[in-house]
Amino acid sequence: QVQLQQSGPGLVKPSQTLSLTCAISGDSVSTNSAAWNWIRQSPSRGLEWLGRTYYRSKWYKDYAVSVKSRITINPDTSKNQFSLQLNSVTPEDTAVYYCVREYIAVTGLNYYYYGMDVWGQGTTVTVSS
Amino acid sequence: QSVLTQSPSASGTPGQRVTISCSGSNSNIGSAYVYWYQQLPGAAPKRLIYRNDQRPSGVPDRFSGSKSGTSASLAISGLRSEDEADYYCAAWDGRLRGYVFGTGTRVTVL
Repeated sequence: QVQLQQSGPGLVKPSQTLSLTCAISGDSVSTNSAAWNWIRQSPSRGLEWLGRTYYRSKWYKDYAVSVKSRITINPDTSKNQFSLQLNSVTPEDTAVYYCVREYIAVTGLNYYYYGMDVWGQGTTVTVSS
Repeated sequence: QSVLTQSPSASGTPGQRVTISCSGSNSNIGSAYVYWYQQLPGAAPKRLIYRNDQRPSGVPDRFSGSKSGTSASLAISGLRSEDEADYYCAAWDGRLRGYVFGTGTRVTVL
């Protein structure tokens, strides 16, 4: 059974960097059958996809246009986890942050997408001085 | 901020059928799979439907998804009290190069 365990501070000061980590059990961050996502949720912005990383012979990363200049998602193969860094935060970045597995079955050259099937417990992050 | 549009609320009595709609565009629903997620109060979202109309194991067949053009729908038949939750649609947007979510629909069981 795949599980995601999030860790990181719940309070970040404006202009500083938000950092969260997601530890994976029951799967590998290097698998070619998944992508590892960060999604956040706030009353004002709803559910918002932030980005993902995945391994297909090499590492790929996709980021949402809204945060592209401020975000970094990195895999850590030695610890089987991945992380989120969001720079220059403002109160608008206050939200519940989720790490999420997107399951993708690979058959030959074909990819079959099964959606976001495993979610972390969520971390409430408040940006305030 | 959400790119996909859903009606804010839907309701029904136990046993009734409720349908939730999700409206998008050619760059997302019109050219990609639609997913549906259920979020119970205080919990993380849970995958309900993938690839437009497929149910993961463990999801009751009371839930069904469909897609036509740039719109998608989620139907809940035989409504039960435990179905009271927020429901979100999602799809990959080829123009934005990212996933987009719907605005969410709160289902109330009367």
